[in-house]
Formats: sequence, C-alpha cells, structure tokens
Amino acid sequence: GQSLEQPSEVTAVEGAIVQINCTYQTSGFYGLSWYQQHDGGAPTFLSYNALDGLEETGRFSSFLSRSDSYGYLLLQELQMKDSASYFCAVRANTNAGKSTFGDGTTLTVKP
Amino acid sequence: SQTIHQWPATLVQPVGSPLSLECTVEGTSNPNLYWYRQAAGRGLQLLFYSVGIGQISSEVPQNLSASRPQDRQFILSSKKLLLSDSGFYLCAWSEQGYRNQPQHFGDGTRLSIL
Repeated sequence: GQSLEQPSEVTAVEGAIVQINCTYQTSGFYGLSWYQQHDGGAPTFLSYNALDGLEETGRFSSFLSRSDSYGYLLLQELQMKDSASYFCAVRANTNAGKSTFGDGTTLTVKP
Repeated sequence: SQTIHQWPATLVQPVGSPLSLECTVEGTSNPNLYWYRQAAGRGLQLLFYSVGIGQISSEVPQNLSASRPQDRQFILSSKKLLLSDSGFYLCAWSEQGYRNQPQHFGDGTRLSIL
C-alpha cells in the first residue's frame, strides 16, 4: 500500500517563499504529483516529478528525491490567491495511473 | 480541448434512498476514469477506477458501485445510502499510455445524507 505525510497547515505572508514537504511510503513508485484545491473547488494539477531533481513551472517548483522518499512543493512570490489546500499524490506503477493522495496542506497567505 | 462534466453539484438525500451520480468526458477517447470521495479537511480517497468500458476496479469495500456503460461515461451508484456516504464526490480522468499524465477533475458533487 501507499501512505503520504504532509503538514496540515502552513501560513506565510504575501511575497514570501513557502515550502510544503511530502514524505511517502509506497511499493511500485512511479512519480509524485502536486495538486491545488481552493475551498469548495476541484483539485487542479500543478506538477509531476518522476525523476530526482527540481521541476520549475513559473512561481511553482517541485522537487523529488526517490532515495529519500521525499518531495516538496516550493511556492515563490506568494499571492493571496495562493491560499488553498495543496495535495501530494503518489502515482502507482500501473497502467491505470492510480494515485494515492495525502491529506493536504492548507496554505494561508496573509497580507 | 478536453472537458469533464459532473452533476449534480449538490444533492441532499434521505438515508436508505438510491443514488446516481454521472460524469462524462469530452474531447478524448479511452480515458482512465476515477471516482474519489473527499471528507471535510481530508485528502481524496480513491473509490473506483476504470481503464475501459465495463472494466471497474474497486479500491475500498463500501456501499457504492460504479459502472462505465460508454467510453466517456462513468456512473457512481448506491441502492441504499448510509449516513457515512456523505461527502464531496469527485470524478476525474487521465490519458492512457502516458506515464506522467495528470488527472483532471470535475467540479464535484457535494452529497448530504439526512
């Protein structure tokens, strides 16, 4: 089976940088994804790491260390609209592309 | 472009009543389809997934069932709802055959059981 751990809450101020960590235990690991979900809305895909290293997409970056079973999402130049829940998800090594999601980290950005 | 439609947006049902939630995808063919449930303040729990018509895999034992009568149609059902079935239900799709494909979610159905 798979399990993931991420902090339940993070608070930061506008313009700052915040890092949301995710550790996982899994068999058949294929990749780590990150999703954003605003309150009451649908999750939207942010990034995916299958190999070790940093992936950068605009203000958001995601990092993976397969040997440490660890990844993080880095959000730079925080904006108020970044206040949301962020989920890491482990992609299983199957054709169905199943993912197991963490419980999410609620990010609150303050002015 | 691809779109996913899920309805209804909200639903209030009495205990013991039946349930049918529908999800359709447009603009793609032979997608992987998923049903998730999300409890308040929690992550997404995978309920069912499907890699093709009539192919349903269940992730957890429960009071629900799923069907895929057409390539881009995914239905979540129950014969008799329980109080514990309350939650936010999300349908999602992903491409087959691409290793790093993301999952794309519908807007969800908020189900309240009274």
